Amino acid sequence: EVQLVQSGAEVKKPGESLKISCKGSGYSFTSYWIGWVRQMPGKGLEWMGIIYPGDSNAKYSPSFQGQVTISADKSISTAYLQWSSLKASDTAMYYCVRPRGWPNCFDIWGQGTMVTISS
Amino acid sequence: EIVLTQSPGTLSLSPGERATLSCRASQGVSGNFLAWYQQKPGQAPRLLIYGASSRATGIPDRFSGSGSGTDFTLTISSLEPEDFAVYYCQQYDRSLTFGPGTKVDIK
Repeated sequence: EVQLVQSGAEVKKPGESLKISCKGSGYSFTSYWIGWVRQMPGKGLEWMGIIYPGDSNAKYSPSFQGQVTISADKSISTAYLQWSSLKASDTAMYYCVRPRGWPNCFDIWGQGTMVTISS
Repeated sequence: EIVLTQSPGTLSLSPGERATLSCRASQGVSGNFLAWYQQKPGQAPRLLIYGASSRATGIPDRFSGSGSGTDFTLTISSLEPEDFAVYYCQQYDRSLTFGPGTKVDIK
C-alpha cells in the first residue's frame, strides 16, 4: 500500500526553527515528486512546494519561496519541510502529498502535521 | 497565476438530492488539467476527479466531473450521508492553484 506518514504535532515559539517529516512507503520514493500543502485553521488549501527525491530538484510556490525549505533524504525515503524562524502565522496543518507526476494533481496525501506557534 | 473561483460557497441539500458545484478559472485551463478533492472534518483531502472528468481509484460513480476551458463542474448525482463535506477544485496546467472550496451541508 502506498503511504505517506508524517511526523507528529508540534508546538513552538515564534523565532524558533522546525523541521517536519514525511516518510513514503509502498512505492519507489526516488521516482515520484513529493510536496507540501498548507491549510490554515478554518481555511483552504495552499500549495507550498515540491521536490523530486531522485535529484533533489525543488520548486516553490511564489508565496512560499524563501519562507520554507523543502528537502529529501532518499536513503530513508523521507521528505522534510523546514522553517528557520517561525511566526505565529505559520500555525497550520501541513500535508505532504504525492502527485501523479509534475505538474499534476495529488493522489496520495499524508495524515497531516499540526504546527502551532504561540508565545 | 490562474485564480479559481468556486460557487456557491455553501450548498445546503438533503440526502438523495443532486449537487452541482462550479469551478471557474481566470484563464483557460489547457489539457483539462483540473482536479476535484473532498475533505471531511479532521481528515486529509481525497482526490475525486482528475483530468476534469476521470474518477480516481475507488471513487463511486455518483461523482462526475465535466467542463473545459474556464468552466468546470462537479456533480454528485444523489447525495449520500458521507458526501457532506468541503470540495476543492485545483488546476495543474500552469503551476498549481486551488479554489477556495464549496461546503456541502445537510439541509
